[in-house]
Amino acid sequence: LAKTTQPISMDSYEGQEVNITCSHNNIATNDYITWYQQFPSQGPRFIIQGYKTKVTNEVASLFIPADRKSSTLSLPRVSLSDTAVYYCLVGDGNAGNMLTFGGGTRLMVKP
Amino acid sequence: GAGVSQSPRYKVAKRGQDVALRCDPISGHVSLFWYQQALGQGPEFLTYFQNEAQLDKSGLPSDRFFAERPEGSVSTLKIQRTQQEDSAVYLCASSPRGLAVDYGYTFGSGTRLTVV
Repeated sequence: LAKTTQPISMDSYEGQEVNITCSHNNIATNDYITWYQQFPSQGPRFIIQGYKTKVTNEVASLFIPADRKSSTLSLPRVSLSDTAVYYCLVGDGNAGNMLTFGGGTRLMVKP
Repeated sequence: GAGVSQSPRYKVAKRGQDVALRCDPISGHVSLFWYQQALGQGPEFLTYFQNEAQLDKSGLPSDRFFAERPEGSVSTLKIQRTQQEDSAVYLCASSPRGLAVDYGYTFGSGTRLTVV
């Protein structure tokens, strides 16, 4: 099971772009990269998932280099409501490869 | 339902008491997961069901923890003889199909268990 490493915390200001990088050096060929967001007193919420290159949705972009040993979640023009914990997970979802969360990155957006 | 529903939202138990936590997954979802989240930590896997079959219970911390999903829908996590270290948020998640890459899992808001 690939282990992930991400910064413990980050600070930003409203309107800025935030990039959170996750390292997953032991990612397997069949593994996908998934990011979740968690607000206090709520369960994690799926943000974005990708396998390689770039994925974009209405919430975020996910950049994955060719070697796939890291990934970067990009949040454009953050607002105060983006203050949350962001988790990076890797896994193929098969053969008992359950979702394994690390400690996540606590993002604080300031006015 | 529209989302994953967990009850109760909060539970205070005296040490040694048995508790039962309920999860109502999204209707039709095949997969159901239980996680334990300690304060300031990421969620930790407890157990996984595919329909009524418990396919993995490797994360259950002790034999005091028991989970069931008898009809493949609602699930109950039971903790016997609760201890203070059991205090945590217990999260339930469901997915519309078996373990496979898809667009993520839907989590409930959790049950916060406090053992005093």
